[in-house]
This record gives sequence, C-alpha cells and structure tokens, in this order.
Amino acid sequence: GAVVSQHPSWVICKSGTSVKIECRSLDFQATTMFWYRQFPKQSLMLMATSNEGSKATYEQGVEKDKFLINHASLTLSTLTVTSAHPEDSSFYICSGIWVGRRQETQYFGPGTRLLVL
Amino acid sequence: GNSVTQMEGPVTLSEEAFLTINCTYTATGYPSLFWYVQYPGEGLQLLLKATKADDKGSNKGFEATYRKETTSFHLEKGSVQVSDSAVYFCALGNAGGTSYGKLTFGQGTILTVHP
Repeated sequence: GAVVSQHPSWVICKSGTSVKIECRSLDFQATTMFWYRQFPKQSLMLMATSNEGSKATYEQGVEKDKFLINHASLTLSTLTVTSAHPEDSSFYICSGIWVGRRQETQYFGPGTRLLVL
Repeated sequence: GNSVTQMEGPVTLSEEAFLTINCTYTATGYPSLFWYVQYPGEGLQLLLKATKADDKGSNKGFEATYRKETTSFHLEKGSVQVSDSAVYFCALGNAGGTSYGKLTFGQGTILTVHP
C-alpha cells in the first residue's frame, strides 16, 4: 500500500515555543490530507482537512491560529503548533487520500508524539 | 452527529482463541464502516470495510458484517495469532460511495494475544 511519513516521530519542547510537524505522501499525490489528534486511551479526533493550494478547514473547537496548517504541495502538509502549552501535548496523526480509478483510500502516517514541558 | 462506540479493552487472549470486538454506531443516512488496525510503532492500516447494509468485509481472517438493524459492525476472527496483537479502531465514514475521507473513530481496543 501507499506510504505516508511524519517527521519528527517525537518532539519535546518548552512551553511557548512553536513546533512544526511534517506529513509526506511518499509514493502518491494527496490532494487532501487530514490531521488528527489522539489522547491516551481515546479515539482519534479530526482536527482539520488540508487541501493542496487552499486554506485548511478546521473542525469545530479547533483553534486555527493555534494549529497552523499549510499544504503547499501534493505530497506535503505541515502542522505548526504555535506557542505550545502543556495541554497541547498529544499524539498527532496525519493521513493522505489516494484517489484511484474506482475508489479512494486513506493512508495514515505513524504519528508524532509531542510533549510540551 | 456521527459517533462510534467500541468495546472497551484491553482484550487479552490466548493464541487460537476466538475474537470479537463489538462496535456500534450512530449516524444519519447510510455511512461506510471500517476497521483499522495499528501495530506498535506504525500508522493505522485499513483492515476491512463495508459500504452498505449486509455487506461483509473480510481480510486476513478477520470479518465484520454491516448490520443496519442493530447499527453494528462487530469484528471477529476465528483463531487469533500473536501477530494480531495491536490496537483496533472501528470507524465510520461519509455516506454515498467514493468520498469517505472524513472519518469518525471509536476509542480503539487494545488486543494482546499470548502464545
């Protein structure tokens, strides 16, 4: 199947700093990518839909100025957590949509664990 | 809105035991239903899916049947292996065929299989 990578796989930062997470589709072009957040022992919560060349669409309750998303190319979307605080510590997962002739398939990255001290 | 409720874990089984992980959903219309699996250190992978009522998805010995009357999509496997140890997520996607990118996930069930 197709591969989606994330970088970094984990990051520790000080409160108040900004952190950028990259999501790349390695062997396909993803017009649409999604960003999810997962708390311990809880489900994945969709944060935003990232479309190449346009502004991201955020889910209700997600601060767009806090979580900046840029989808500059068909293989790269970035999530920047601005002025991170301890409550932003979480597991962030991205996915890319592969559009085939008859169906679409969502491929997930391995996730990035963020710890804000 | 849409929601998915999964059987709470963790689930611990011996090799060759029968597995059931319950999943029920709430949605309007006719959503697509999915089971994803997440092995340690890896991203979620699609295990199986069903796009309409009474469809049965199957893969790697796992099966799940889309039951609209009970709004359920329970995952089953007749004989689990140690390599099946992972986290399993039930998910619900958009209705209407090809565009099911936006998913609503259950909370995940950790499965551990002992030799």
